[in-house]
Amino acid sequence: AQSVTQPDIHITVSEGASLELRCNYSYGATPYLFWYVQSPGQGLQLLLKYFSGDTLVQGIKGFEAEFKRSQSSFNLRKPSVHWSDAAEYFCAVGLRDDKIIFGKGTRLHILP
Amino acid sequence: DTAVSQTPKYLVTQMGNDKSIKCEQNLGHDTMYWYKQDSKKFLKIMFSYNNKELIINETVPNRFSPKSPDKAHLNLHINSLELGDSAVYFCASSPRTSGSVEQFFGPGTRLTVL
Repeated sequence: AQSVTQPDIHITVSEGASLELRCNYSYGATPYLFWYVQSPGQGLQLLLKYFSGDTLVQGIKGFEAEFKRSQSSFNLRKPSVHWSDAAEYFCAVGLRDDKIIFGKGTRLHILP
Repeated sequence: DTAVSQTPKYLVTQMGNDKSIKCEQNLGHDTMYWYKQDSKKFLKIMFSYNNKELIINETVPNRFSPKSPDKAHLNLHINSLELGDSAVYFCASSPRTSGSVEQFFGPGTRLTVL
Protein backbone atom coordinates (compact mmCIF):
# COMPACT_ATOMS: atom_id res chain seq x y z
CA ALA A 1 0.00 0.00 0.00
CA GLN A 2 1.09 3.53 -0.63
CA SER A 3 2.40 5.42 2.36
CA VAL A 4 4.50 8.36 3.43
CA THR A 5 6.70 8.26 6.50
CA GLN A 6 8.11 11.27 8.28
CA PRO A 7 10.17 9.67 11.04
CA ASP A 8 10.66 12.83 13.09
CA ILE A 9 7.59 14.16 14.88
CA HIS A 10 9.50 17.15 16.28
CA ILE A 11 12.75 18.79 15.20
CA THR A 12 14.44 21.66 17.03
CA VAL A 13 17.19 23.72 15.44
CA SER A 14 18.83 27.01 16.27
CA GLU A 15 18.16 30.03 14.12
CA GLY A 16 20.76 30.21 11.40
CA ALA A 17 21.51 26.49 11.52
CA SER A 18 20.92 24.13 8.64
CA LEU A 19 17.84 21.93 8.44
CA GLU A 20 16.97 18.57 6.99
CA LEU A 21 13.52 17.01 7.34
CA ARG A 22 13.24 13.39 6.34
CA CYS A 23 10.59 11.80 4.19
CA ASN A 24 10.31 8.26 2.87
CA TYR A 25 7.55 6.97 0.65
CA SER A 26 6.20 3.67 -0.52
CA TYR A 27 4.71 3.65 -4.02
CA GLY A 28 5.06 1.25 -6.92
CA ALA A 29 5.29 3.79 -9.71
CA THR A 30 7.30 6.96 -10.18
CA PRO A 31 5.82 9.27 -7.59
CA TYR A 32 4.76 12.84 -7.64
CA LEU A 33 6.22 14.32 -4.46
CA PHE A 34 5.36 17.44 -2.51
CA TRP A 35 6.34 19.32 0.58
CA TYR A 36 3.75 21.54 2.20
CA VAL A 37 4.10 23.87 5.19
CA GLN A 38 1.38 24.71 7.67
CA SER A 39 1.88 27.68 9.96
CA PRO A 40 -0.16 27.74 13.19
CA GLY A 41 -3.84 28.28 12.47
CA GLN A 42 -3.24 28.43 8.73
CA GLY A 43 -3.88 26.27 5.71
CA LEU A 44 -1.24 24.38 3.78
CA GLN A 45 1.14 26.14 1.45
CA LEU A 46 3.11 24.30 -1.20
CA LEU A 47 6.88 24.65 -0.73
CA LEU A 48 8.01 22.58 -3.69
CA LYS A 49 7.17 19.61 -5.86
CA TYR A 50 8.86 16.91 -7.89
CA PHE A 51 7.27 15.40 -10.96
CA SER A 52 10.21 14.38 -13.14
CA GLY A 53 13.59 15.58 -14.37
CA ASP A 54 16.22 17.08 -12.11
CA THR A 55 16.12 15.28 -8.79
CA LEU A 56 17.11 18.39 -6.84
CA VAL A 57 14.19 20.79 -6.77
CA GLN A 58 14.12 24.33 -5.53
CA GLY A 59 11.14 25.78 -3.74
CA ILE A 60 9.98 28.93 -2.09
CA LYS A 61 11.46 30.48 1.05
CA GLY A 62 14.92 29.06 0.32
CA PHE A 63 13.91 25.40 0.65
CA GLU A 64 15.10 22.58 -1.57
CA ALA A 65 14.48 18.85 -1.68
CA GLU A 66 16.25 15.93 -3.31
CA PHE A 67 14.50 12.89 -4.75
CA LYS A 68 16.49 9.71 -4.27
CA ARG A 69 14.76 6.81 -5.97
CA SER A 70 17.16 4.20 -4.55
CA GLN A 71 16.29 5.28 -1.03
CA SER A 72 12.63 6.14 -1.69
CA SER A 73 13.31 9.45 -0.05
CA PHE A 74 12.48 13.09 -0.63
CA ASN A 75 14.22 15.02 2.15
CA LEU A 76 13.66 18.73 2.61
CA ARG A 77 16.62 21.01 3.31
CA LYS A 78 17.38 24.60 4.08
CA PRO A 79 20.90 25.93 4.64
CA SER A 80 19.95 28.52 7.26
CA VAL A 81 16.62 28.61 9.07
CA HIS A 82 14.80 31.71 10.22
CA TRP A 83 12.48 32.02 13.22
CA SER A 84 9.58 32.38 10.79
CA ASP A 85 10.21 28.85 9.52
CA ALA A 86 8.72 27.40 12.71
CA ALA A 87 5.72 25.43 11.47
CA GLU A 88 4.43 21.96 10.65
CA TYR A 89 5.88 20.39 7.52
CA PHE A 90 4.11 17.71 5.51
CA CYS A 91 5.60 15.47 2.89
CA ALA A 92 3.10 14.04 0.41
CA VAL A 93 2.87 11.60 -2.48
CA GLY A 94 0.53 12.21 -5.40
CA LEU A 95 -1.01 9.09 -6.87
CA ARG A 96 -2.18 8.43 -10.42
CA ASP A 97 -5.83 8.54 -9.34
CA ASP A 98 -5.35 12.12 -8.21
CA LYS A 99 -5.23 11.37 -4.49
CA ILE A 100 -2.52 12.86 -2.34
CA ILE A 101 -1.32 10.89 0.65
CA PHE A 102 0.23 12.97 3.40
CA GLY A 103 2.79 12.02 5.99
CA LYS A 104 1.98 12.71 9.62
CA GLY A 105 4.02 15.87 9.66
CA THR A 106 7.15 17.16 11.38
CA ARG A 107 6.84 20.08 13.76
CA LEU A 108 9.83 22.40 13.42
CA HIS A 109 10.87 24.47 16.44
CA ILE A 110 13.43 27.26 16.16
CA LEU A 111 15.66 28.29 19.05
CA PRO A 112 16.68 31.96 19.13
CA ASP B 1 -7.52 37.93 -3.60
CA THR B 2 -8.28 34.72 -1.76
CA ALA B 3 -7.74 31.70 -4.00
CA VAL B 4 -9.55 29.08 -1.92
CA SER B 5 -11.85 30.37 0.76
CA GLN B 6 -13.88 28.57 3.41
CA THR B 7 -16.64 29.70 5.73
CA PRO B 8 -16.91 29.66 8.59
CA LYS B 9 -13.40 29.64 10.02
CA TYR B 10 -14.64 28.33 13.35
CA LEU B 11 -17.75 26.29 14.06
CA VAL B 12 -18.82 25.22 17.53
CA THR B 13 -21.97 23.13 17.83
CA GLN B 14 -23.75 20.51 19.87
CA MET B 15 -23.83 16.78 19.20
CA GLY B 16 -26.70 15.77 16.97
CA ASN B 17 -26.88 19.04 15.06
CA ASP B 18 -26.54 19.40 11.29
CA LYS B 19 -24.03 21.88 9.92
CA SER B 20 -22.50 22.96 6.62
CA ILE B 21 -19.10 24.29 5.62
CA LYS B 22 -18.76 26.23 2.40
CA CYS B 23 -15.81 26.34 0.04
CA GLU B 24 -15.20 28.50 -2.99
CA GLN B 25 -12.21 28.75 -5.33
CA ASN B 26 -11.58 31.54 -7.82
CA LEU B 27 -8.68 29.80 -9.58
CA GLY B 28 -10.76 28.33 -12.38
CA HIS B 29 -9.82 24.80 -11.30
CA ASP B 30 -11.90 21.81 -12.28
CA THR B 31 -11.24 19.65 -9.23
CA MET B 32 -12.00 20.31 -5.57
CA TYR B 33 -11.40 18.28 -2.43
CA TRP B 34 -12.29 17.98 1.22
CA TYR B 35 -9.72 16.82 3.78
CA LYS B 36 -10.02 16.15 7.49
CA GLN B 37 -7.14 16.95 9.83
CA ASP B 38 -7.45 15.29 13.19
CA SER B 39 -6.05 16.40 16.54
CA LYS B 40 -2.74 14.74 15.73
CA LYS B 41 -2.45 16.81 12.55
CA PHE B 42 -3.02 13.79 10.33
CA LEU B 43 -4.53 14.85 6.98
CA LYS B 44 -6.81 12.48 5.16
CA ILE B 45 -8.77 12.99 1.97
CA MET B 46 -12.53 12.62 2.24
CA PHE B 47 -13.94 13.55 -1.18
CA SER B 48 -13.02 15.02 -4.50
CA TYR B 49 -15.21 16.46 -7.23
CA ASN B 50 -14.34 17.18 -10.84
CA ASN B 51 -16.69 19.52 -12.66
CA LYS B 52 -19.45 18.81 -10.15
CA GLU B 53 -19.00 15.05 -10.42
CA LEU B 54 -17.90 12.92 -7.46
CA ILE B 55 -14.52 11.33 -8.21
CA ILE B 56 -13.10 10.22 -4.88
CA ASN B 57 -15.18 9.05 -1.96
CA GLU B 58 -13.08 7.62 0.81
CA THR B 59 -14.48 5.61 3.67
CA VAL B 60 -16.46 8.40 5.23
CA PRO B 61 -19.73 8.02 7.19
CA ASN B 62 -22.74 8.81 5.06
CA ARG B 63 -23.57 11.56 7.54
CA PHE B 64 -21.08 13.55 5.44
CA SER B 65 -22.47 14.71 2.13
CA PRO B 66 -20.56 16.95 -0.28
CA LYS B 67 -22.48 19.14 -2.65
CA SER B 68 -21.09 20.94 -5.68
CA PRO B 69 -23.52 23.46 -7.20
CA ASP B 70 -20.89 24.50 -9.75
CA LYS B 71 -17.24 23.79 -10.32
CA ALA B 72 -16.16 26.77 -8.21
CA HIS B 73 -17.96 25.57 -5.08
CA LEU B 74 -17.82 22.43 -2.98
CA ASN B 75 -19.78 22.48 0.24
CA LEU B 76 -19.69 19.89 2.99
CA HIS B 77 -22.83 19.07 4.91
CA ILE B 78 -22.65 17.00 8.07
CA ASN B 79 -25.71 15.45 9.67
CA SER B 80 -26.09 14.28 13.27
CA LEU B 81 -22.72 15.59 14.39
CA GLU B 82 -20.68 13.40 16.74
CA LEU B 83 -17.84 14.20 19.11
CA GLY B 84 -15.40 12.41 16.80
CA ASP B 85 -16.20 14.84 14.00
CA SER B 86 -14.26 17.53 15.82
CA ALA B 87 -11.34 18.37 13.54
CA VAL B 88 -10.08 20.92 11.09
CA TYR B 89 -11.61 20.53 7.64
CA PHE B 90 -9.67 21.76 4.64
CA CYS B 91 -10.96 22.44 1.19
CA ALA B 92 -8.53 22.30 -1.73
CA SER B 93 -8.57 22.64 -5.49
CA SER B 94 -6.36 21.61 -8.38
CA PRO B 95 -6.36 22.39 -12.10
CA ARG B 96 -7.03 18.91 -13.41
CA THR B 97 -7.83 15.40 -12.39
CA SER B 98 -5.77 13.31 -14.80
CA GLY B 99 -2.37 12.87 -13.27
CA SER B 100 -1.50 14.29 -9.93
CA VAL B 101 -0.76 17.96 -9.67
CA GLU B 102 -0.41 20.26 -6.74
CA GLN B 103 -3.42 21.17 -4.71
CA PHE B 104 -4.18 24.59 -3.34
CA PHE B 105 -5.61 24.63 0.15
CA GLY B 106 -8.07 26.87 1.92
CA PRO B 107 -7.41 28.21 5.43
CA GLY B 108 -9.43 25.48 7.13
CA THR B 109 -12.56 25.31 9.27
CA ARG B 110 -12.10 24.26 12.87
CA LEU B 111 -15.17 22.26 13.89
CA THR B 112 -15.75 21.61 17.58
CA VAL B 113 -18.58 19.33 18.60
CA LEU B 114 -19.62 19.59 22.25
